[in-house]
Amino acid sequence: DTGVSQNPRHKITKRGQNVTFRCDPISEHNRLYWYRQTLGQGPEFLTYFQNEAQLEKSRLLSDRFSAERPKGSFSTLEIQRTEQGDSAMYLCASSRTESNTEAFFGQGTRLTVV
Amino acid sequence: SQQGEEDPQALSIQEGENATMNCSYKTSINNLQWYRQNSGRGLVHLILIRSNEREKHSGRLRVTLDTSKKSSSLLITASRAADTASYFCATALVSSYKLIFGSGTRLLVRP
Repeated sequence: DTGVSQNPRHKITKRGQNVTFRCDPISEHNRLYWYRQTLGQGPEFLTYFQNEAQLEKSRLLSDRFSAERPKGSFSTLEIQRTEQGDSAMYLCASSRTESNTEAFFGQGTRLTVV
Repeated sequence: SQQGEEDPQALSIQEGENATMNCSYKTSINNLQWYRQNSGRGLVHLILIRSNEREKHSGRLRVTLDTSKKSSSLLITASRAADTASYFCATALVSSYKLIFGSGTRLLVRP
């Protein structure tokens, strides 16, 4: 299967710990997106990359969040000093560079901060 | 803040009936997309309509777009129990390549 892959699928961490999630996009996709989704809400944009360049970052994203895509392939999202409010589903998506193309989503990483 | 807002927030219908969901947005768009999400799962792309298109069909799905009113609708005809899911509209902005999602419509199709 060559879809978007996210690891881990679930993560439980204690408040104050750091966590890192990984996303492997579809191989020929240059764009990669991170979203956060809480129960009953739509996905909220966090950041996106074109190849290895991080082109946009949500103003809602605190300094505790950082994302990288070092070689323009897989991406990592790190949350430092986690807080209970960080508990959510973190979704990764990828798409081709052309406009008017759809995004393909992974199954997400569900983070629970206790 | 969310760009799109779906209406209704929740919809319950009988199998075989049609389901209509509406989406409104605020700024100029390149395209508008509809996604489906089953409980606790990732999002699946359903259909994309470009800003210069007014209507599009895909199987049992019909999407309309009215850029003058900044609104779109998704019609699912002859609904099935398997259509039970949350449906989100997402707008691709002119100024950015990111997708902005609405808050979704939760559809329940009763057998």
